[in-house]
Amino acid sequence: DSGVTQTPKHLITATGQRVTLRCSPRSGDLSVYWYQQSLDQGLQFLIHYYNGEERAKGNILERFSAQQFPDLHSELNLSSLELGDSALYFCASSHPPGRGTEAFFGQGTRLTVV
Amino acid sequence: GIQVEQSPPDLILQEGANSTLRCNFSDSVNNLQWFHQNPWGQLINLFYIPSGTKQNGRLSATTVATERYSLLYISSSQTTDSGVYFCAVATGTASKLTFGTGTRLQVTL
Repeated sequence: DSGVTQTPKHLITATGQRVTLRCSPRSGDLSVYWYQQSLDQGLQFLIHYYNGEERAKGNILERFSAQQFPDLHSELNLSSLELGDSALYFCASSHPPGRGTEAFFGQGTRLTVV
Repeated sequence: GIQVEQSPPDLILQEGANSTLRCNFSDSVNNLQWFHQNPWGQLINLFYIPSGTKQNGRLSATTVATERYSLLYISSSQTTDSGVYFCAVATGTASKLTFGTGTRLQVTL
C-alpha cells in the first residue's frame, strides 16, 4: 500500500459527460501529481499541485481541470468526455516538491467512456 | 524534453532465470525511479535510484548518472514478477516524472 488513495477505482460514463476523480496523498505530502496512461500515449504527466497551488502543467487538455484543497486532497475534473479519454488515471504524491523526491502512486482510476 | 528509452521492449523468461532491463536517458537527472506495473494496473515502487546501486531481495538496480543509464536486475524470476517495468526520470527543477515506454516481462513455468 503506497498510502495514496484514489477513488473511484473504476468509472464508466457516456461521451459528453463530466466526471471527477479524487486523490488523497500520503500523510504529510504536499505535492500531488496527475498522470494519464493510455494505450497509444503511454504514461504522461498532466498537472502538479503543491500545497494548493498549481506548479506545472503537462499535456492536459483544456476540457480537464484540477485543484488541490486545503486538506491537500486533489480532484481531477474531466468534462465533455470523448472516447479517446478512456485511460487509467493515476495520482502520485511526494514531499517536499522539486529536486530528487520519490513519488508514490495510487492504484489509479480506470475510466471507460462509451 | 528529456527522452527515456527502455530495452528490451518485451521479455519472456522461464521461472528461475535472471534478467537485466536497461533504461537510457538523454539528459542529467535528479530523480530516477523503477516501477513494476502488475497485471491489475498498480504501479509499485521498486527503487528510487538517481545514482549508485541498491538491492532489495531478488531485485537490484544500478544507475550510472554520468553515462546516463540505469539497469534493473531480476534474479531467480518468479511468475509474480510478470508485468511491465517502467523507468521514470525527473530533471532540472521539474519534479514531474517522464516515463519510458516500459519492458513487458512474462515469466512462465
